[in-house]
Amino acid sequence: LAKTTQPISMDSYEGQEVNITCSHNNIATNDYITWYQQFPSQGPRFIIQGYKTKVTNEVASLFIPADRKSSTLSLPRVSLSDTAVYYCLVGDIWDDKIIFGKGTRLHILP
Amino acid sequence: EAQVTQNPRYLITVTGKKLTVTCSQNMNHEYMSWYRQDPGLGLRQIYYSMNVEVTDKGDVPEGYKVSRKEKRNFPLILESPSPNQTSLYFCASSLLASGRASAGELFFGEGSRLTVL
Repeated sequence: LAKTTQPISMDSYEGQEVNITCSHNNIATNDYITWYQQFPSQGPRFIIQGYKTKVTNEVASLFIPADRKSSTLSLPRVSLSDTAVYYCLVGDIWDDKIIFGKGTRLHILP
Repeated sequence: EAQVTQNPRYLITVTGKKLTVTCSQNMNHEYMSWYRQDPGLGLRQIYYSMNVEVTDKGDVPEGYKVSRKEKRNFPLILESPSPNQTSLYFCASSLLASGRASAGELFFGEGSRLTVL
């Protein structure tokens, strides 16, 4: 399993685009990159998953450079309700151990 | 509605009194897992199960037991709880083991907050 490194915390303002970068230098060929969001006292919720280049859904975009040693979760036009902890996970879809790091605590200010 | 259900949601108990936290999913998922979450430590995996009768240790299995007799249920057992097991516990399930290329999403329960005095 590739180890991931994320910023511990970030602040931003409503209406801004927020980019959270995750470093995963030891990513393996079969590894996917997955991001989860967690609100206080709730279970994490799947946001987006990708393998390379760019993936976009109704919630976020995921940018993965060609070397795949990092990835960036992009949240467009954030609101106060986007205040949460965001986790980056890297692993093979066949991984049985799924490891969450400490995540990035995103605080959106009015 | 597709969901992972944990019970109890809140429990206060005393040291040494055996307890079980139940987890049930209605999505026919093969993979199930338990995590604990503590301030500053993030989510740590306790045990996981790839399918019925197949369980394995995660990163912090000490003091816990699990069983997977049916596909939908994955109870977490604390035989002799201690104060250091006071935590917020999450159960999760996934189609990870099914072989579908689109798999990868973990579905979490709402959490069980356990206090051991």
